[in-house]
Amino acid sequence: GDSVTQMEGPVTLSEEAFLTINCTYTATGYPSLFWYVQYPGEGLQLLLKATKADDKGSNKGFEATYRKETTSFHLEKGSVQVSDSAVYFCALTLSGGSYIPTFGRGTSLIVHP
Amino acid sequence: NAGVTQTPKFRILKIGQSMTLQCTQDMNHNYMYWYRQDPGMGLKLIYYSVGAGITDKGEVPNGYNVSRSTTEDFPLRLELAAPSQTSVYFCASRREGGTDTQYFGPGTRLTVL
Repeated sequence: GDSVTQMEGPVTLSEEAFLTINCTYTATGYPSLFWYVQYPGEGLQLLLKATKADDKGSNKGFEATYRKETTSFHLEKGSVQVSDSAVYFCALTLSGGSYIPTFGRGTSLIVHP
Repeated sequence: NAGVTQTPKFRILKIGQSMTLQCTQDMNHNYMYWYRQDPGMGLKLIYYSVGAGITDKGEVPNGYNVSRSTTEDFPLRLELAAPSQTSVYFCASRREGGTDTQYFGPGTRLTVL
């Protein structure tokens, strides 16, 4: 079946450090890929998405590129801030009758001043 | 648009009590979902619906029931609450289509004592 694998957390960084959170997937069709962010005490919200191979999603300084050859969608940010501390979820959805998005387990990011 | 709203935000139940978690969306989305999130864990799908009158089980449906009489509302019923149902519950919705974002409510934090 379809699956999403994320790197284990927590990821602990100092402010202004470079961030990478790895995400790889397996899917039977051509998925759309998403990163969602969950701030403490809140629901998930979309951070960025990419709907086809080689697309780059970007938002709030975060970027991720849809790599079909490596089945990956790694999340990056050049300089993290304390306010980026949150849990990040990688997810995929498929077109054509599949109703249920597949989520990774989430990666907690802690940024220290 | 209010998006996805959930009530209540917090609730404490005694073992054996019942309650309904309310979820409403004003985006005219066909697909709606209920998830639970245990501390430090990812999301587990309880039930989902692809339209009014149509519901189906997710990964962890035991102890829960749902109904979908309108497009807007998707209540989750807990019968005979148990401590294992202590969790944070999220409702989500999305339009049809694999490229579409899932929108989450703010969550209901439930404790069963």
